[in-house]
Amino acid sequence: AQSVTQPDIHITVSEGASLELRCNYSYGATPYLFWYVQSPGQGLQLLLKYFSGDTLVQGIKGFEAEFKRSQSSFNLRKPSVHWSDAAEYFCAVGAGSGGSYIPTFGRGTSLIVHP
Amino acid sequence: NAGVMQNPRHLVRRRGQEARLRCSPMKGHSHVYWYRQLPEEGLKFMVYLQKENIIDESGMPKERFSAEFPKEGPSILRIQQVVRGDSAAYFCASSPLPVQTSGKGADTQYFGPGTRLTVL
Repeated sequence: AQSVTQPDIHITVSEGASLELRCNYSYGATPYLFWYVQSPGQGLQLLLKYFSGDTLVQGIKGFEAEFKRSQSSFNLRKPSVHWSDAAEYFCAVGAGSGGSYIPTFGRGTSLIVHP
Repeated sequence: NAGVMQNPRHLVRRRGQEARLRCSPMKGHSHVYWYRQLPEEGLKFMVYLQKENIIDESGMPKERFSAEFPKEGPSILRIQQVVRGDSAAYFCASSPLPVQTSGKGADTQYFGPGTRLTVL
């Protein structure tokens, strides 16, 4: 079964600073990887996803993530954070054949943005 | 095109009462998924339903929890005899295609705003 670890519960950055949110996964084969954002009181919105091909994927709102098989990681990055990016971020892994097709979510990282 | 609707948004129940959570999928979506989010935890899959069928309930607690998605009307997640440990946010997602077509189907899950259940 697949699993996801988001080691940082909270991250605080200043507006305009760069951001990196960490995500490590466990799955035997090539996983499908996702990042979602959850604003307060809202449902989850898909930011980006990785299935295959180019390991650097671009998403909405200026976010990108890089799949590194050797490190079992899929970290989310943004070069310049805006105050509106303050939210909860979830990494998720879905498996191809041989695993659960239902995505498994990490516990989330809460992003706090200082003015 | 309205998104996934969930009601109520907030629900307060006393221990021992029943909680009924409703989810109306996006128009044209016939696949519904329920997730539970405990405080400071990620979403945990509970159940996957298609119209009138439960496809995967591997994440559902064995007792007190049930789900249905009738031919007409919203999907219902029912929790009988609620306990304080049931306090959580319950999210519903819908998709136009079956997720098991491939793992790629997961990206077409559209999430509702959730129902926050508080058990006193």
